[in-house]
Amino acid sequence: DAKTTQPNSMESNEEEPVHLPCNHSTISGTDYIHWYRQLPSQGPEYVIHGLTSNVNNRMASLAIAEDRKSSTLILHRATLRDAAVYYCILRDPPQTGANNLFFGTGTRLTVIP
Amino acid sequence: EAQVTQNPRYLITVTGKKLTVTCSQNMNHEYMSWYRQDPGLGLRQIYYSMNVEVTDKGDVPEGYKVSRKEKRNFPLILESPSPNQTSLYFCASSPRRTSGRLETQYFGPGTRLLVL
Repeated sequence: DAKTTQPNSMESNEEEPVHLPCNHSTISGTDYIHWYRQLPSQGPEYVIHGLTSNVNNRMASLAIAEDRKSSTLILHRATLRDAAVYYCILRDPPQTGANNLFFGTGTRLTVIP
Repeated sequence: EAQVTQNPRYLITVTGKKLTVTCSQNMNHEYMSWYRQDPGLGLRQIYYSMNVEVTDKGDVPEGYKVSRKEKRNFPLILESPSPNQTSLYFCASSPRRTSGRLETQYFGPGTRLLVL
């Protein structure tokens, strides 16, 4: 399985942009990159996903390196409600046909008022 | 409202006393799965189901059973709970995977289990 590497923790000031990095040097050509986050005392929730091009949605932006070996989740203006653990995830091996997510330990984002 | 529900949310039990944690989704999703979350280990998959009557083991299936008799329900069964199964459990569901990418998964609120 392709693995991802993320920093254990990061801090950001409120209303400042946050760039959360993820390394996935063994990514295959057809792997999508997914990001989920887990707010305190809640289940994980989907944030964004992408394949090759940068992606934007109402929650965040995803910047994918040209060689696809790394990506960055961008929160444009961090709020206290963005304090969470952020997970960068690649897909299950295609031959299983399953829709499995392989979570690492993620990056714990602390937002400072 | 589209959601995944789990019951109970909190449970304290004793070693060896069989228990069931229920999971239900109202989105007509084919795929459902169970995860456990432990400090320092992140979320690990226990079992998953790709459709009714189709289940398979995840990464940590020992000590657990599941069943999928109906599309909306996917209960997690601990036949003889032990203290090392004390954990936070999450159920998730998603549409069938029809292409190369993962489908978005929707998670329940979690069930915190303590086995004494």
